[in-house]
Order: sequence, then C-alpha cells, then structure tokens
Amino acid sequence: DTEVTQTPKHLVMGMTNKKSLKCEQHMGHRAMYWYKQKAKKPPELMFVYSYEKLSINESVPSRFSPECPNSSLLNLHLHALQPEDSALYLCASSFVVRDQNEQFFGPGTRLTVL
Amino acid sequence: AQKVTQAQTEISVVEKEDVTLDCVYETRDTTYYLFWYKQPPSGELVFLIRRNSFDEQNEISGRYSWNFQKSTSSFNFTITASQVVDSAVYFCALRTRQGGSEKLVFGKGTKLTVNP
Repeated sequence: DTEVTQTPKHLVMGMTNKKSLKCEQHMGHRAMYWYKQKAKKPPELMFVYSYEKLSINESVPSRFSPECPNSSLLNLHLHALQPEDSALYLCASSFVVRDQNEQFFGPGTRLTVL
Repeated sequence: AQKVTQAQTEISVVEKEDVTLDCVYETRDTTYYLFWYKQPPSGELVFLIRRNSFDEQNEISGRYSWNFQKSTSSFNFTITASQVVDSAVYFCALRTRQGGSEKLVFGKGTKLTVNP
C-alpha cells in the first residue's frame, strides 16, 4: 500500500460547526504532516507529528487541533473556523530516516467555511 | 536562510516541445535534500524526485531529467517531448531541520500548460 488517504474529499461547514479531517497511511511512516494550501500558493506547513508526538506547530490558531491516535492515523479537528480558513488541506507522511524521507501526499480535503 | 526560488510563474508550450523548469535554492546546511513535486488540477502532490547534496549525478526518468548544480545552487527539471498530461503546477522544495523534525520549504511553483 503506497498511498495516503484523506476523508472527506469536500467539506462545507459553518463558522459554529465542529468537524474533523482524517488521514490514514499504511506505509510504516512515523512522520505525518498537515498542510494548508490556498489557491495559486504553495502548501504551508501547519503541524508535524514524529512517532505520534507533536514536534512542529507553525503557530497555527487553536481553532485547528491536531491529533495522532496511532502511527497510521492523523486527524485535524476544526472548530469555530473563519471564512479565510477555506483552503485545500493536505496530509502527508514520510519515514523519519534521513535518506528516505520524501513526503507522500494525500489527495486533500477541500474545505469551505461559510 | 532556507529559501527556494522558482522564477517562472507560468510557462505555456505546445505538445512535443521540450521545457525546463528552473529552481534556485539557498541553504546554510552542508548536507541537504531537494525535491520536485507535481500537482495536477486534481490537487494531490505527486513526488517526482529526491536529490541529496552529496550526489551531483544528473538523473533521467523517461521523459523527465534533472540537472543538479551545486556551484550555481540550482536543481532544474526538464521535460522532453512534453504531453498534455504534463500540464500541472510543479513545486521545487528544500528540506530543512527545525527542532527534532524536518520540514519542506517550497518554492512558489511553476504552472506548466501544454497545449495540443
């Protein structure tokens, strides 16, 4: 299995809703990442988990809450989002070993906040 | 500072033309890794190649080739005999270390359109 899956593919939510994005991989990767990508921009790193522990938080607002329940799963919990949070949210995973740590990306979740 | 510059914002070619996408990087690391990713309209980033700083050998994979030049801090990507399916945004990225983890620094991307 050489893919990263993400659900849902599309999500529309109001500013008072609570929702979660899910990401799963079965490649034995122990590093997992959340990125946010706005139109015509490169991906921006949000969070990095290494061995199921949060290792990088790029000063992301607390309305985004990541969770890594095990080595295969990564969640992003969303609460009280703003319309400017509408974007493509990409999950990625990689080995931690230096010479093999290219990141493999999922297809993303297109989020619209009304 | 860790930085990746892709000066070409958009390129348009006709099918079967060769096209080169430029990537210039800045890093203070003595050992570093560079990557190219393809992002078709569907949105998923597809990994194309990883190159480490101590291996300057150029690489060819089918119609794709990469030219890594440490002397000019460049890692350029050439598509030979382009096809419509090559239309996508291409990102060059540099891996950098932050704390105990590593992260990718992306260039702004080059949008390639291959017209029939």
